[in-house]
Amino acid sequence: AQSVTQLDSQVPVFEEAPVELRCNYSSSVSVYLFWYVQYPNQGLQLLLKYLSGSTLVESINGFEAEFNKSQTSFHLRKPSVHISDTAEYFCAVSEGTGRRALTFGSGTRLQVQP
Amino acid sequence: DSGVTQTPKHLITATGQRVTLRCSPRSGDLSVYWYQQSLDQGLQFLIQYYNGEERAKGNILERFSAQQFPDLHSELNLSSLELGDSALYFCASSVEAVNTEAFFGQGTRLTVV
Repeated sequence: AQSVTQLDSQVPVFEEAPVELRCNYSSSVSVYLFWYVQYPNQGLQLLLKYLSGSTLVESINGFEAEFNKSQTSFHLRKPSVHISDTAEYFCAVSEGTGRRALTFGSGTRLQVQP
Repeated sequence: DSGVTQTPKHLITATGQRVTLRCSPRSGDLSVYWYQQSLDQGLQFLIQYYNGEERAKGNILERFSAQQFPDLHSELNLSSLELGDSALYFCASSVEAVNTEAFFGQGTRLTVV
């Protein structure tokens, strides 16, 4: 069975500093990988996804994530964060031939300080 | 706005009661997923429907049931409610049965008192 581990429950960082949110998964088959962001009192928004092809995927607002099969990781990075990036970030995986349900990590709260 | 509509936004009910949560997927999406988000369990997949048929089942309690109607909206029925059922319930939709990009609604916050 698949599982997702987000190693950091909270990541405080100063504005304009770089950040990395870590995500590791366990699965014995090929997977799809996702990062979702949840702002307070809102639903989840898809930030970026890896389905196949290039292992480096980017979002429109400057985030990127790299799929590393050997390390079973999909870490999220941003070179310079803004106050508006403060939110909860969830890593998720779907696996197997069905690839239907998402298994989510426990989330990482990114707190950007001025 | 994701295009996925969930009603109601908030629901307060007593233990032992039954409630129905409603979800309208994005236009053109055939798959609907239900998730539960709670402080102790995090985000958990409950069930998926595709074009009216159940496609995948997760950690859904026997007291809970769901269905997808011909117009593709879905309802999640929660019965014999317990305090521990208090959570945020999300609906998500995607075009295909395979989840390559799911769009989430704003959720229904259920409080059982």
